[in-house]
Amino acid sequence: SQQGEEDPQALSIQEGENATMNCSYKTSINNLQWYRQNSGRGLVHLILIRSNEREKHSGRLRVTLDTSKKSSSLLITASRAADTASYFCATWASGGSYIPTFGRGTSLIVHP
Amino acid sequence: DTAVSQTPKYLVTQMGNDKSIKCEQNLGHDTMYWYKQDSKKFLKIMFSYNNKELIINETVPNRFSPKSPDKAHLNLHINSLELGDSAVYFCASSQDVAGGRHTQYFGPGTRLTVL
Repeated sequence: SQQGEEDPQALSIQEGENATMNCSYKTSINNLQWYRQNSGRGLVHLILIRSNEREKHSGRLRVTLDTSKKSSSLLITASRAADTASYFCATWASGGSYIPTFGRGTSLIVHP
Repeated sequence: DTAVSQTPKYLVTQMGNDKSIKCEQNLGHDTMYWYKQDSKKFLKIMFSYNNKELIINETVPNRFSPKSPDKAHLNLHINSLELGDSAVYFCASSQDVAGGRHTQYFGPGTRLTVL
């Protein structure tokens, strides 16, 4: 299946540290998106990266994509307690698929 | 102004009952989705409608029936509820279907508990 898998499943860090989480997938993709989910809430879009892009930035977020390794990483720099949430990657297979596949997420806890 | 809204937020019901969850988006989007998130946070797409037409139906039991009366609304009706249906159901919308080129906007979720 196309399913993306985030790694690690859980991450606990101190405020000010950087947090890195990874997403691996199985088949070629057109696009990959990262989402954040705060406890008890819906998902919120963070970044979209296309298959022909290698890196994108948005504020304290940096996303990389390595299509040869079928993996993406999300880096949050100078983390804050408010970054505590679950982070999901979503992929869309190449070839015109419009079926999104989400992983199980990385649960990030940032201690103040 | 909530972009994607769902009702109810919580739903507690007995096995065998029939229930509905409603979803509305005010973003003018063409595409709407239903997702199921289980207790381990695994999020799986169930259905998608584009301009009121069903375009994704991912091996969901036929006890689940989505209905889209217009582009702004996508409701989910569940017949003969089972214990395994307990989960959080999310509605989402995007500008169109185009394979991941557009942001998905999620509703706040409906936590369904089947007793």
